[in-house]
Formats: sequence, C-alpha cells, structure tokens
Amino acid sequence: EVQLVESGGGLIQPGGSLRLSCAASGFIVSSSYMTWARQAPGKGLEWVSVIYSAGTPYYADSVMGRFTISRDNSKNTLYLQMNSLRVEDTAVYYCARASWLGNGFDIWGQGTMVTVSS
Amino acid sequence: EIVLTQSPGTLSLSPGERATLSCRASQIVSSSYLAWYQQNPGQAPRLLIYGASSRATGIPDRFSGSGSGTDFTLTISRLEPEDFAVYYCQQYGSSPPWTFGQGTKVEIK
Repeated sequence: EVQLVESGGGLIQPGGSLRLSCAASGFIVSSSYMTWARQAPGKGLEWVSVIYSAGTPYYADSVMGRFTISRDNSKNTLYLQMNSLRVEDTAVYYCARASWLGNGFDIWGQGTMVTVSS
Repeated sequence: EIVLTQSPGTLSLSPGERATLSCRASQIVSSSYLAWYQQNPGQAPRLLIYGASSRATGIPDRFSGSGSGTDFTLTISRLEPEDFAVYYCQQYGSSPPWTFGQGTKVEIK
C-alpha cells in the first residue's frame, strides 16, 4: 500500500527545535518530489518546503534559514528539521509526494501537530 | 511569490446543484502545475485535479477543472452530500515558492 506516516510533532517552547519524520511505504522517496505543507488551527493550507528527486530543496520565506528538509534513502523517510520555532509555526504539518510534478501531490500523510507555546 | 485568490470564500448550495469555484493568480501560472484539493474537517487534503484539468485517480467525473494563464475554475456538476468541504487551489511551478489559495468552503444551503 502506498502511504505516508508522519511523526515527531508535539509541544515545544518558542526558540526550541523539533524534527518531523515522514515514513513512506509503497514507493521510493528519493525518486519522488516530496513536500511539506502546514495548516494553522482554523486556517488554510500553507506550503512550507519541497525536496526534488534530484535533491534540491526549496523553502517558503517564512521558514527560510530556520527549517531544513532532508531525506534518508536507506529508511525511505523524509524529514523536516525545525529550529528557532515561533508561536506562529503552530500547525498541523503534512508531508505529501508527487511522482513527478505534472501529476500533482497525490499521496498525503495524516498530519502531525506542532504546538509552539510557553 | 505568486498569490492565488479564491472566490467566493463560501458557497451555499443544495445537493444536486452546480458549484463553480474560481482561483485567480497574481501572475501567469503554467497550466501544467495548477492543482485543486478537497479537504474535510480533520483530514488531509485530497488531490482532485492536476495540470489544471486532469482528474486524479478515482475522482468522479462530476469534478472538472479548466482555465489557463491567471484564471482557473473548478466545477462540480451536481453536488453530492460528500462534496460539501473546503477546496484549495495550488500552484507548484518550476520555480518555488509554491502557494495555495485561501480556500473556498462549499456548505449546504
């Protein structure tokens, strides 16, 4: 079965760090375009980051310099390292994949909640 | 950054009616990289349309997408009870950052 399972969310104080994981099954992460998006409580979707199949990362301006996207090919897992967390980073974080960009992001994880609060 | 503006914010319709949702971009978007998603409360987004007009696997043919340039439309020909949800457009062209529209909620009238 093709699926994504996120983990690593939780409650963290402002300025802290957290690493989210997105474990894939049924397809190869390194051959796909993998993205992170987030959704603050009661708000719309916000794109966060993408890593291309070639390994090139891109980020939203709101997280540039604080978040790092990466993947572990041996574990077939995507990561999002989040540093210098702010209250406004509080959201459900989703990972998703596109087999190639023209096909859109067809597989999404269930999401993991990150709460940044003192 | 390309800004996507969706309208209306809320659409109040009855089952069986036709829904027309708009997504307008601040710059030209390649049609190849315009998608529509459906999201129900507490659930992850679900891909409906990619490439502006291609239905994703398993999506009923009552959903259709159209448009080019800066104006795109999602049409639901006859609303079924399970179609009442929030819909987002997204542009994901070759040059990030990518963006989502703010969403259109389709609610039961």
